[in-house]
Amino acid sequence: AQKVTQAQTEISVVEKEDVTLDCVYETRDTTYYLFWYKQPPSGELVFLIRRNSFDEQNEISGRYSWNFQKSTSSFNFTITASQVVDSAVYFCALGPSTSGTYKYIFGTGTRLKVLA
Amino acid sequence: EAQVTQNPRYLITVTGKKLTVTCSQNMNHEYMSWYRQDPGLGLRQIYYSMNVEVTDKGDVPEGYKVSRKEKRNFPLILESPSPNQTSLYFCASKGGTSGGIGELFFGEGSRLTVL
Repeated sequence: AQKVTQAQTEISVVEKEDVTLDCVYETRDTTYYLFWYKQPPSGELVFLIRRNSFDEQNEISGRYSWNFQKSTSSFNFTITASQVVDSAVYFCALGPSTSGTYKYIFGTGTRLKVLA
Repeated sequence: EAQVTQNPRYLITVTGKKLTVTCSQNMNHEYMSWYRQDPGLGLRQIYYSMNVEVTDKGDVPEGYKVSRKEKRNFPLILESPSPNQTSLYFCASKGGTSGGIGELFFGEGSRLTVL
């Protein structure tokens, strides 16, 4: 069965601190995709990154970076020098698989609060 | 502007009164899907559609119906809403071919309350 676990329900940091959001996934597929989405207080879902299972290179985009480790089935997200505008709920997602299903499996989300 | 549009954005209704949440996308996407978001449960897929007249159940389809008569529209129908369907609903679409992998584009969400 496919599953995404975001064990951190809520994290609070002070502005300018670095913070890492954990994502652990389960899948039997050899080819799969992982995503991160941001949901700010306004409620919309904003796409941040997509990563396929063949590409384990870490990615950096400004203050955001992602660490994909297939060996531990993790796809962690780090925000460097956090800002108040980073306050949001962050979702990690898996899918769709190559087994023929077209489901996207989301984690339960991590609420990040960045305090001024 | 490329977008997924849901209506209504907010709705309060009563148990048993049929309602439809519309979803329309202007990106010519083949894949569309519906999710519900509940506290502590994240986003769960209700139904998805890989193309016109092709729909399939997600993880929580009970109490919902969908139809895909046109490529751009994918309405979510609650024939007899119940209080446990009180939730925040998102429609999403995805570009590429039906089997292609891509990120989902989400609508702004529809907050439904069933009394």
